[in-house]
Amino acid sequence: AQTVTQSQPEMSVQEAETVTLSCTYDTSESNYYLFWYKQPPSRQMILVIRQEAYKQQNATENRFSVNFQKAAKSFSLKISDSQLGDTAMYFCAFKIWGDSNYQLIWGAGTKLIIKP
Amino acid sequence: ETGVTQSPTHLIKTRGQQVTLRCSSQSGHNTVSWYQQALGQGPQFIFQYYREEENGRGNFPPRFSGLQFPNYSSELNVNALELDDSALYLCASSNRRGSQFFGPGTRLTVL
Repeated sequence: AQTVTQSQPEMSVQEAETVTLSCTYDTSESNYYLFWYKQPPSRQMILVIRQEAYKQQNATENRFSVNFQKAAKSFSLKISDSQLGDTAMYFCAFKIWGDSNYQLIWGAGTKLIIKP
Repeated sequence: ETGVTQSPTHLIKTRGQQVTLRCSSQSGHNTVSWYQQALGQGPQFIFQYYREEENGRGNFPPRFSGLQFPNYSSELNVNALELDDSALYLCASSNRRGSQFFGPGTRLTVL
């Protein structure tokens, strides 16, 4: 069975600082996707970034980047120049490639607070 | 391009009642997934529909059922509501292997 673990229930940083959220996962599959989603207080789940496991290059989306370590089964999210609007729950999620059931498997989330 | 929409936004029901939640998928997407998110937790997969057929199911009892229509919109039906069914219900649309994009959710409260 696949599992996703986020070991940091809550983090808090000052505006403009850089913050890294941790995620580890467990799977015997070799082809899969990893995602980071953001859920602000408005509760809409928003896709932040996606990584295909076959790609060695780490994904980047503006201020958001990942550190994907396939052998270690680690997938951390780095937010640079953090902004007040980054305050939200952040969820790491996993999906098997090519499986007939394309469900996302989720971590428990990390609450990120950006302080002014 | 229209995003994923869900209705209603909030809903209050009593134990034993039945509820229907609705989701309109994003233009160009043929797959809809439903998730239950209890307060303070990550989402839990309920089921997925692909081209009007159930394409996988999580660990939810049969009183959770669904439909997908020819325009790829979807319904989630829950019968015999229990207090533990109180949660945020999220709908996500995608192409079959693509990223899932979520609607704003329906907050269900069971009294």
